[in-house]
Amino acid sequence: GNSVTQMEGPVTLSEEAFLTINCTYTATGYPSLFWYVQYPGEGLQLLLKATKADDKGSNKGFEATYRKETTSFHLEKGSVQVSDSAVYFCALTRGSTLGRLYFGRGTQLTVWP
Amino acid sequence: DTAVSQTPKYLVTQMGNDKSIKCEQNLGHDTMYWYKQDSKKFLKIMFSYNNKELIINETVPNRFSPKSPDKAHLNLHINSLELGDSAVYFCASSQGVVSNQPQHFGDGTRLSIL
Repeated sequence: GNSVTQMEGPVTLSEEAFLTINCTYTATGYPSLFWYVQYPGEGLQLLLKATKADDKGSNKGFEATYRKETTSFHLEKGSVQVSDSAVYFCALTRGSTLGRLYFGRGTQLTVWP
Repeated sequence: DTAVSQTPKYLVTQMGNDKSIKCEQNLGHDTMYWYKQDSKKFLKIMFSYNNKELIINETVPNRFSPKSPDKAHLNLHINSLELGDSAVYFCASSQGVVSNQPQHFGDGTRLSIL
C-alpha cells in the first residue's frame, strides 16, 4: 500500500541552525511528493513538491530532493528562523489514488531565538 | 480573497446532536475533499468529490454525510455526534485528481463534543 513515515518530533532548534526532517515513503510506481506546513491555528499550506525522481522542490529556503533509490524526500533548511516554528507534513499521492493524499504523522518544529 | 473557507471555525456541542460544517472554494477547482485531523495531528482523508460526484468514501461511519451542491461547495453533515468525533476537520480543493496538482486547504473547523 501507500504510506509515509516521518521522523518523530518534536524538533527544537536555535535560530540559524540547520534543519533536516526525514521522510521516507512506500508506494508502487511513481508518486508525487509534497511537504505541507501547518502554522498554529491555521490550515495546511503547500511548502514544496516534486513530481519525479531527482526533482528538487524548493521554497522559502527549504529544499527536498525526490530520491527514488532510497524512497526518501527529506526536508532541509540551512538556517531556520523563529517564524519557521510549525508542524511539517510529508505526503504523497499517485495518479491511481484519485487525488488522495497520504500523510506522514507530522513533525513539530520549534525554533528559539 | 480567501481561497478555501470553512464555517464555523469552532464548534462546541453535546453528544447526540446533529451539526454541519460548510466549505466553499473560489479557486475554480473541480475536486474537493474532507480530511480529519486527530489530537495527535494525524490527517486522514474522509471523502472526495469531483464535479459534484463522490469519488472517495473512506471507512467513515454512516453518521457522516457529505453533500456537494455545486463544484465550489462541499458540506459535511454529522448525525448523532459522539465523543470520538472531536477533531479538526479540514476541507481542501484541487484542480482534478492528477497526482501532481497540490491541494489547497481551509483553516479547519475544530469540533469539540461535550
